[in-house]
Amino acid sequence: EDQVTQSPEALRLQEGESSSLNCSYTVSGLRGLFWYRQDPGKGPEFLFTLYSAGEEKEKERLKATLTKKESFLHITAPKPEDSATYLCAVQDTANAGKSTFGDGTTLTVKP
Amino acid sequence: DTGVSQDPRHKITKRGQNVTFRCDPISEHNRLYWYRQTLGQGPEFLTYFQNEAQLEKSRLLSDRFSAERPKGSFSTLEIQRTEQGDSAMYLCASSRRGLAGGEQFFGPGTRLTVL
Repeated sequence: EDQVTQSPEALRLQEGESSSLNCSYTVSGLRGLFWYRQDPGKGPEFLFTLYSAGEEKEKERLKATLTKKESFLHITAPKPEDSATYLCAVQDTANAGKSTFGDGTTLTVKP
Repeated sequence: DTGVSQDPRHKITKRGQNVTFRCDPISEHNRLYWYRQTLGQGPEFLTYFQNEAQLEKSRLLSDRFSAERPKGSFSTLEIQRTEQGDSAMYLCASSRRGLAGGEQFFGPGTRLTVL
C-alpha cells in the first residue's frame, strides 16, 4: 500500500528565513509526486508535479526536488503570505487514478 | 474563472438524515475524484470517475456512500443515514487523463457537520 509521510508537522519561520519541508514516500512504482498548498477552509491548490529522481521544479520562492525515496520543498526567503499547509501526494503506476496524500506541513511565517 | 465548483459549501444535518453534494469539474477534464478530509489530516481518497464510469471506490467507503456521474460532467456524492463520524470536508477534484500530468485541481470543498 502506498504511504506518504511528511515532516515536520509544523514549522514556524521568521520572514526571510529559508528552510525545507520533507516528504517521504513508498510506492510500488512512482507515476508522479505532487505538491499542493492548502489555505484554511479551502481546497488544495496545485503547485508542482515531479516524475523521476533528480527532477527539480521552481516557482517563485519554492523549489521542489525528488529522489527515489523522498521529495523536498525548499522555501527561500519566505514571506508571511507563504503561510499555509503544504501537502505532498503520490500516484502509483499500478493505480493511476487516485492520489495518496500525506498529512501536510503547516508553515507559519512571522513578519 | 472555470475552476472546480462544489455545492453546497456548508451543510449541517442531523444524524440519520441523507445528504447530497454536487461537484462541477473543469469542463475539459474527463476524470473526477472525491476525497474526504478531517482536521489535521490530508485528503483521503473515496472514489473516482473517468467520464461516466466509476473506476475505483475506496475499501474504506461504507455502503452508505454512493457517487454518480451520469453524463460524464457533474457528479453527486450521497451519504445515507449520516453518522457523526461523517463530519468532514468533502473535496472534489478533476484532471485530464494522459501519460503526463495527473495533477488534480480541487474545488473549495463542502464542509459537512452531523449533529
